[in-house]
Amino acid sequence: EVQLVESGGVVVQPGGSLRLSCAASGFTFDDYTMHWVRQAPGKGLEWVALITWNGGGTYYADSVKGRFTLSRDNSKNSLYLQMNSLRTEDTGLYYCVKDMDDSYGWTAFDYWGQGTLVTVSS
Amino acid sequence: DIQMTQSPSSLSASVGDRVTITCQASQDISSSLNWYQQEPGKAPKLLIYDASTLRTGVPSRFSGSGSGSNFTFTISSLQPVDIATYYCQQYDYPLLTFGGGTKVEIK
Repeated sequence: EVQLVESGGVVVQPGGSLRLSCAASGFTFDDYTMHWVRQAPGKGLEWVALITWNGGGTYYADSVKGRFTLSRDNSKNSLYLQMNSLRTEDTGLYYCVKDMDDSYGWTAFDYWGQGTLVTVSS
Repeated sequence: DIQMTQSPSSLSASVGDRVTITCQASQDISSSLNWYQQEPGKAPKLLIYDASTLRTGVPSRFSGSGSGSNFTFTISSLQPVDIATYYCQQYDYPLLTFGGGTKVEIK
C-alpha cells in the first residue's frame, strides 16, 4: 500500500524558514517523480514543485521560485521542501504527492498524503 | 504559463441528474489533462487521466472527453457520495496547473 506521510508544518513568522519532509513507502520511490501541492484555507489546489526520480531535475511554480528548494534522498525514501522567505500567502495545507508516470516523466498525481499545515503569521 | 479556466465554479443538481463541468486551457495541451475529486476534509483523488482514461476502480458514471484546449468532465447520474469539489489539471511540459475547481452540491 502506498503511503506518504508529511511532517514539519508549524506556525512561522513572515520572512522565516521551514523544512517540510515526506516519508514514502509501498512503492519503488526512486522510480518516480514526486511533487508538492498546496491548498490555502478554503481555496483551490496549487501545484508547487516537482523533482525527478534521481533529483536531477526540479521545477517550481512562479509563486515560489527562488524561495523554495525541493530535494530527495532515495536511500531514505524521503522528500524535502526547504521554504525560505515565507510570506503570509504561503499559508496552507501542503501535500506530498506521487506521480503516476513510470517512465521518469510526470503526468498525474495518483497518490496523496494527508498534508501538513503551514501557517505564516506574525 | 498555461492557465486553466474551469466552469462553473459551483453547481447544484438533483440525485440522478447528469452533471457537466468544463475546463479550457489557454493554449493547446493535446490530451494532457486530468480530473480529480476532493471530498470535504480529504486529500484529492485522481479520477481520470489523459483526458478520458478512467482510473482503475473509479465508477463508470464518471467520464472525461476533449482534446486541444477544451475538455469536459461528466457525471452521468449524480449520487449523494459525489458531493465534492472537482478540479482539472494540465501537465503540458514542464509546469503543471490546476483549474479553479467546481463545487458540486445536491439540490
